[in-house]
Amino acid sequence: SAVISQKPSRDICQRGTSLTIQCQVDSQVTMMFWYRQQPGQSLTLIATANQGSEATYESGFVIDKFPISRPNLTFSTLTVSNMSPEDSSIYLCSARDGTGNQPQHFGDGTRLSIL
Amino acid sequence: DQQVKQNSPSLSVQEGRISILNCDYTNSMFDYFLWYKKYPAEGPTFLISISSIKDKNEDGRFTVFLNKSAKHLSLHIVPSQPGDSAVYFCAASGLGGTSYGKLTFGQGTILTVHP
Repeated sequence: SAVISQKPSRDICQRGTSLTIQCQVDSQVTMMFWYRQQPGQSLTLIATANQGSEATYESGFVIDKFPISRPNLTFSTLTVSNMSPEDSSIYLCSARDGTGNQPQHFGDGTRLSIL
Repeated sequence: DQQVKQNSPSLSVQEGRISILNCDYTNSMFDYFLWYKKYPAEGPTFLISISSIKDKNEDGRFTVFLNKSAKHLSLHIVPSQPGDSAVYFCAASGLGGTSYGKLTFGQGTILTVHP
């Protein structure tokens, strides 16, 4: 299975600033995703990162707040823009390959705290 | 609208006994189901999955059962070991259309296995 590395692993940021999270996969993958896990909550899908085109966002998430890039089949970034304390969460990158029923594999996440 | 539900926030089991974790879903378009295990400060790790054409899938100590008519699945761990202590997430995916590849997660169940 693909090995997924995320940077940074954690950060503490001031409100109003932006942070870009990087996700690197050790092999080419078909699909990459970004999730958020708020404190005490489950994982919620933010968007599907599409290679060479705009990301596909889920209801409640918008590109201006969470711009995503995916320049190739092994790398993606998620930016959390104009942060507020409500953005304090764990942000997780995942990837899957192939077609049909395949599991997603996850990075260890980025633990973000906003002061 | 919680489409995947894990109604037991926690479960405590003695080492060597069976652990049974339950999950219910409401979306009849889901046709692929997965279980993930998550340790603190790590990303979810894929455990086992089942497609809707099956009612059972086994991998070592882990067995997943699917009851499509009841929209219910369960994960059995036999025998349970202290290292199994973690948060277990149930997830579901639809194969076609806009649901392709996306995972919807339950709230998680904290499993504690006592020596």
